Amino acid sequence: KAGVTQTPRYLIKTRGQQVTLSCSPISGHRSVSWYQQTPGQGLQFLFEYFSETQRNKGNFPGRFSGRQFSNSRSEMNVSTLELGDSALYLCASSLVGYGTDTQYFGPGTRLTVL
Amino acid sequence: AQSVSQHNHHVILSEAASLELGCNYSYGGTVNLFWYVQYPGQHLQLLLKYFSGDPLVKGIKGFEAEFIKSKFSFNLRKPSVQWSDTAEYFCASKEAFGTGTRLTIIP
Repeated sequence: KAGVTQTPRYLIKTRGQQVTLSCSPISGHRSVSWYQQTPGQGLQFLFEYFSETQRNKGNFPGRFSGRQFSNSRSEMNVSTLELGDSALYLCASSLVGYGTDTQYFGPGTRLTVL
Repeated sequence: AQSVSQHNHHVILSEAASLELGCNYSYGGTVNLFWYVQYPGQHLQLLLKYFSGDPLVKGIKGFEAEFIKSKFSFNLRKPSVQWSDTAEYFCASKEAFGTGTRLTIIP
């Protein structure tokens, strides 16, 4: 069974731009969660989508948004990029939901904001 | 929201030494606790998890963790580490991850 895939793997943007990251979960998994990983803050939960609905949300500004499609693939969008948004963005999928089920992580998208 | 904290940022051990990595969680209702590992160049993967029941949880690769409610702790242990255990270890609750502990095993 194929693992969680994330595209692109690396991205360089400039301040003020917006970016869209994509995540394809393991086949059959309906929950997709997004995390931001930085050296200073560690891993922080962004949000979780389940059956195309945002079910849980972390403490991030509204510039961070996401969506999930009917095939469970998910996208995360960051608008008006700031230097501090430079991070590794991880996606994880699970059968029924984060926090109650084993999550499988993807390799991440490394975003650099210049 | 339930938070977790890891106090050991970097631990260096020799092979065959015993390992214990600390994790404390804040009270926040239902306790769902996890330990994840990230080997160099690899994805995060689950080592073990605790939801309820036996407080001593066995995971993969010989790891175990003990949930001690009175101490709000969920420490990770391994009786004898190997060089291949070199990795970063994250304790997590449902809502948050700890800052991680880098474990370096010296052959």
